Amino acid sequence: DGGITQSPKYLFRKEGQNVTLSCEQNLNHDAMYWYRQDPGQGLRLIYYSQIVNDFQKGDIAEGYSVSREKKESFPLTVTSAQKNPTAFYLCASSIPRELHNEQFFGPGTRLTVL
Amino acid sequence: LAKTTQPISMDSYEGQEVNITCSHNNIATNDYITWYQQFPSQGPRFIIQGYKTKVTNEVASLFIPADRKSSTLSLPRVSLSDTAVYYCLRTNFGNEKLTFGTGTRLTIIP
Repeated sequence: DGGITQSPKYLFRKEGQNVTLSCEQNLNHDAMYWYRQDPGQGLRLIYYSQIVNDFQKGDIAEGYSVSREKKESFPLTVTSAQKNPTAFYLCASSIPRELHNEQFFGPGTRLTVL
Repeated sequence: LAKTTQPISMDSYEGQEVNITCSHNNIATNDYITWYQQFPSQGPRFIIQGYKTKVTNEVASLFIPADRKSSTLSLPRVSLSDTAVYYCLRTNFGNEKLTFGTGTRLTIIP
């Protein structure tokens, strides 16, 4: 089945540690995205990538880093510079400039900083 | 910033038709209106998209008047499983970024 997978589903980290969230897609989509969602809020864009080896900052990129070495993979690293990292993280992919510009989302990773 | 305004929450009984209205007064010529649905602890899911007049698919209808300053998502005969947050977004094919507001929390009552 085609889709987007994120791992792990739940992640705990100690304050001051870096942590990497995985996102893999087998939809053959060029574009991938990372969002953060806080309780009762909408999604906010962290980073996005429209093609391999290229990515752009979203609205809240500070304290995060990404890489896009393969079309299928877009890992997100939450660094110790992110002051309030506890949140629900969602990865998505899409076909750029496709008719509906529909983004397909993964199941999410819930990160808790202890 | 591409902004839309929609009610924070709505309640409805099972079997009724639910209409959620979204305001987008300064919508651009090449903007479309897109609705997503999100269940708790899951990623959002695309529901429907339109530019003008009426669009219907197997789950919803979308009404956009001629001035395009608002739009209405219509869910026919809702069930308990339609309880979710519904987001109205302005989307532009020249810009793949999506801007999510806080959405409308729809609660279906038995």
